[in-house]
Amino acid sequence: GAVVSQHPSRVICKSGTSVKIECRSLDFQATTMFWYRQFPKKSLMLMATSNEGSKATYEQGVEKDKFLINHASLTLSTLTVTSAHPEDSSFYICSARTAGGYSDTQYFGPGTRLTVL
Amino acid sequence: GDSVTQMEGPVTLSEEAFLTINCTYTATGYPSLFWYVQYPGEGLQLLLKATKADDKGSNKGFEATYRKETTSFHLEKGSVQVSDSAVYFCALSSSGSARQLTFGSGTQLTVLP
Repeated sequence: GAVVSQHPSRVICKSGTSVKIECRSLDFQATTMFWYRQFPKKSLMLMATSNEGSKATYEQGVEKDKFLINHASLTLSTLTVTSAHPEDSSFYICSARTAGGYSDTQYFGPGTRLTVL
Repeated sequence: GDSVTQMEGPVTLSEEAFLTINCTYTATGYPSLFWYVQYPGEGLQLLLKATKADDKGSNKGFEATYRKETTSFHLEKGSVQVSDSAVYFCALSSSGSARQLTFGSGTQLTVLP
């Protein structure tokens, strides 16, 4: 149980285009999803916290107009990288927290490797 | 604010050796503590967790005990295998309503046959 999927797993795009990454909780409902960015051989950097039906909360230094997050349902959150540039190339990982009660365990997706040419 | 300090890597061991990866934390309130493992090119997998002092999390031969007095959550395994080669992250969950995770820097483990 508690499986989180991400799509696509890898994407290559040209500079200036937009890319959408989907994060789905497959067998549970997730009221809260998180988006992380991981640089090579580095730890995860939290970008934003996404709650179903409300606006995402972005961490300091993360441009909300560039990284658009939508959490339209209890099983789906999307991250859109708008007007991508080579410096946006990274490994993007989402996680989902189970709904209801006291739960602080996050289940992670397999990640999406974004390369911007 | 919350922080996690993790043993610097990389760590290289021979198969069947004993593993310890140190992790200490600073947090307000009573956080939950986690170990996550990341295999090459993949996302993170929850390895084990502990939610209160003196709890011991265990999974796949790995263990970690929540030590409030020393603010530590060291990861141990008695006999490592080649398949344990991965990056290990210690993390804590904040006590706020968002319960965001704060990660340590990660420790690369390589087990040689």
